[in-house]
Amino acid sequence: EVQLVESGGGLVQPGRSLRLSCAASGFTFDDYAMHWVRQAPGKGLEWVSGISWNSGSIGYADSVKGRFTISRDNAKNSLYLQMNSLRAEDTALYYCAKEGTDSGYEGWGQGTLVTVSS
Amino acid sequence: QSALTQPRSVSGSPGQSVTISCTGTSSDVGGYNYVSWYQQHPGKAPKLMIYDVSKRPSGVPDRFSGSKSGNTASLTISGLQAEDEADYYCCSYAGSYTFVFGGGTKLTVL
Repeated sequence: EVQLVESGGGLVQPGRSLRLSCAASGFTFDDYAMHWVRQAPGKGLEWVSGISWNSGSIGYADSVKGRFTISRDNAKNSLYLQMNSLRAEDTALYYCAKEGTDSGYEGWGQGTLVTVSS
Repeated sequence: QSALTQPRSVSGSPGQSVTISCTGTSSDVGGYNYVSWYQQHPGKAPKLMIYDVSKRPSGVPDRFSGSKSGNTASLTISGLQAEDEADYYCCSYAGSYTFVFGGGTKLTVL
């Protein structure tokens, strides 16, 4: 069974940094692309960033490009999101998602809440 | 990277069919057969319902179907059931390893 557990969220002041982690289990982690998707309180889903199985392909939403960095450690079955220069509008529940063999996010964690406020 | 356009809400009675549209551009929905749909109940993580425009993951009832015409994708739910009441989101590949979601549609089962 696919299990994804996010951590690292919390309350942070504008302009500061935070690093999210996602621990994966139940599947061969280095066979799959992984993504971060966020959801602001009461709002819809927003794709944030994705990384291919071997980190050879990486993409970012325009809203986070230049501020966020996605990475993965296949030896540790872990996905990361380094978030710098945080803004109030980055406040959201951040989900880690496993991409399927074809397309689509077939596995999701329960999310970690990031609150950016002074 | 503009969000895909979905109706804010749709509704139907048990047993009826509803269709949720998802309109993008030739740079996303119209350019690739990588449209997926997600169901999200309040307080829960999203669940994949359709991928690659019209494919269903195992375990998803065949009442759920997907299609695409030009820059618009659609999710059709037939034989509506009370448990189908949820928020639904479409998502499309948008090139250069980027993806975009729709704004979401609230489905109410009357």
